[in-house]
Amino acid sequence: KQEVTQIPAALSVPEGENLVLNCSFTDSAIYNLQWFRQDPGKGLTSLLLIQSSQREQTSGRLNASLDKSSGRSTLYIAASQPGDSATYLCAVRRGNNRLAFGKGNQVVVIP
Amino acid sequence: GAVVSQHPSRVICKSGTSVKIECRSLDFQATTMFWYRQFPKKSLMLMATSNEGSKATYEQGVEKDKFLINHASLTLSTLTVTSAHPEDSSFYICSATALSGANTGELFFGEGSRLTVL
Repeated sequence: KQEVTQIPAALSVPEGENLVLNCSFTDSAIYNLQWFRQDPGKGLTSLLLIQSSQREQTSGRLNASLDKSSGRSTLYIAASQPGDSATYLCAVRRGNNRLAFGKGNQVVVIP
Repeated sequence: GAVVSQHPSRVICKSGTSVKIECRSLDFQATTMFWYRQFPKKSLMLMATSNEGSKATYEQGVEKDKFLINHASLTLSTLTVTSAHPEDSSFYICSATALSGANTGELFFGEGSRLTVL
């Protein structure tokens, strides 16, 4: 059974600092890994998708890396802003379309 | 990115009534949609996988007669919570995968539906 762990569960940073969010998974046989953002009471917004053959993906201030062999992914958010405050979820997908989610990193960026 | 729309976003109902939640993929076709339930401070729990034109596949412990899923077209899946009880109160989220195009393989989520059963 695939287990996904996200550390830290919660963190607060001052505006302008870089954010580093970690995701680890137990089974390296994955199809892809996706990072999502969730605001309170809202659905999930897809941030970055990394296919199993890729090492990283970038979008604006966001960069996500994937090390499949060690079962790790890291989401970097450069120069954090108060609008980045949210819960960030990591999800690992297997070939049968099933996603395994972590519990999320709850981020607060302090102005 | 692709858009998945859920409706209603919030619903309050009396115990014993049924509630239907719709999930639509607005700009892509999806043979498969997924229904999740989210409890406070918990990760998403997959309830069922909805396949267009066939019966849904339910996860262990999810009552198929309680949570009726219909996937009548490539752009619409519905979840009906039958004879709702207060313990069914939760946040329900659907997701869908694009069949083709730049977003193939990526999962997109609806905005979620907050159900409160009185």
